[in-house]
Amino acid sequence: GAGVSQSPRYKVAKRGQDVALRCDPISGHVSLFWYQQALGQGPEFLTYFQNEAQLDKSGLPSDRFFAERPEGSVSTLKIQRTQQEDSAVYLCASSLARLAVYNEQFFGPGTRLTVL
Amino acid sequence: QKEVEQDPGPLSVPEGAIVSLNCTYSNSAFQYFMWYRQYSRKGPELLMYTYSSGNKEDGRFTAQVDKSSKYISLFIRDSQPSDSATYLCATISSGSARQLTFGSGTQLTVLP
Repeated sequence: GAGVSQSPRYKVAKRGQDVALRCDPISGHVSLFWYQQALGQGPEFLTYFQNEAQLDKSGLPSDRFFAERPEGSVSTLKIQRTQQEDSAVYLCASSLARLAVYNEQFFGPGTRLTVL
Repeated sequence: QKEVEQDPGPLSVPEGAIVSLNCTYSNSAFQYFMWYRQYSRKGPELLMYTYSSGNKEDGRFTAQVDKSSKYISLFIRDSQPSDSATYLCATISSGSARQLTFGSGTQLTVLP
């Protein structure tokens, strides 16, 4: 079975450009998370979807960051007017959503964004 | 202060050594504790998780949680060069959206 896939794997953007990062979760996984991982740091939570509903976006660093999952499967993280401090690896993770049971989050390989 | 603090490393050990990796956390609401392994240019992969306090063993790996001191440990016995990676501790609060809160990671190199 396929794992979580992300595209592109690498993205170089000039400061001020808009970028879109795609995540394909594991089929049947209801929950989807986005994390940001700066160099030498652990991943930090950005936002969470249950099916198509964005239930938590408390980790999004600014209103330049926008995420969507319109049909409850593929998700896109969009960053508008990119800044140098946006340079990081963006990780997507998916999990089953069984209540009251620990749900392992499966991570994709990430998209490495470099803003020049 | 970050919710999860991790010994930064880097850590370099000879093959066959016992490795000890450690984290502390501040939020007593945390119930689940995980260790993830991340190879270079890959996503994190789950090694082990424990619920509440106690020990859990899986082959050469042992995870230990002491909730009274808010201390998390991972022990690797008979370390191998293939264990060379960044190890991330993480917690998850039962009352939240179930997002993971990670430590900063410890880079481990096992020398042949």
